[in-house]
Amino acid sequence: EDQVTQSPEALRLQEGESSSLNCSYTVSGLRGLFWYRQDPGKGPEFLFTLYSAGEEKEKERLKATLTKKESFLHITAPKPEDSATYLCAVSGSNDYKLSFGAGTTVTVRA
Amino acid sequence: DGGITQSPKYLFRKEGQNVTLSCEQNLNHDAMYWYRQDPGQGLRLIYYSQIVNDFQKGDIAEGYSVSREKKESFPLTVTSAQKNPTAFYLCASTSRGRNSPLHFGNGTRLTVT
Repeated sequence: EDQVTQSPEALRLQEGESSSLNCSYTVSGLRGLFWYRQDPGKGPEFLFTLYSAGEEKEKERLKATLTKKESFLHITAPKPEDSATYLCAVSGSNDYKLSFGAGTTVTVRA
Repeated sequence: DGGITQSPKYLFRKEGQNVTLSCEQNLNHDAMYWYRQDPGQGLRLIYYSQIVNDFQKGDIAEGYSVSREKKESFPLTVTSAQKNPTAFYLCASTSRGRNSPLHFGNGTRLTVT
């Protein structure tokens, strides 16, 4: 069974204070690892897909990286509008199902 | 604008009543999904459908039912058999290409008392 563990559960940052979120996974035959952003009371919004170890993707202040066992979401010089819950999910041997982690809630103070 | 519409946003029901959550998409996606989100837990898959008139149980299908009569629509019924129905319900869709990301609606928060 695919498993995804995200850490920390919550992260409080000062504006401009860079940090990283971790997503550890166990999956049979990784087909893709996905990062989503979720604002309170809203549905998740797609950020990135990573397919193989060593791959990196960037979007504004966010950068996602992937190894064979984990993925990191780096937030560089965060702003208050980066406050959200970040979800990680993996697609394994059954590529019509995603397994999600519980998320990391990031709060950025001005 | 293309997207996924879930309605209503908030739903209140008495214990023992069935309730149906609506999900409509105009993205021309073949596959649709229902997830449940509870505090401190990852999204859990209830049902999914890869094509019209066909659907499969997810990891927590007990107490739920679905139908897929139209490509655009995938309603979820929460029955009285679901023991803990209070939760945030998310509908999603995707095209059938490998590793296409899920697109989510903005959810329905169901409270059963």
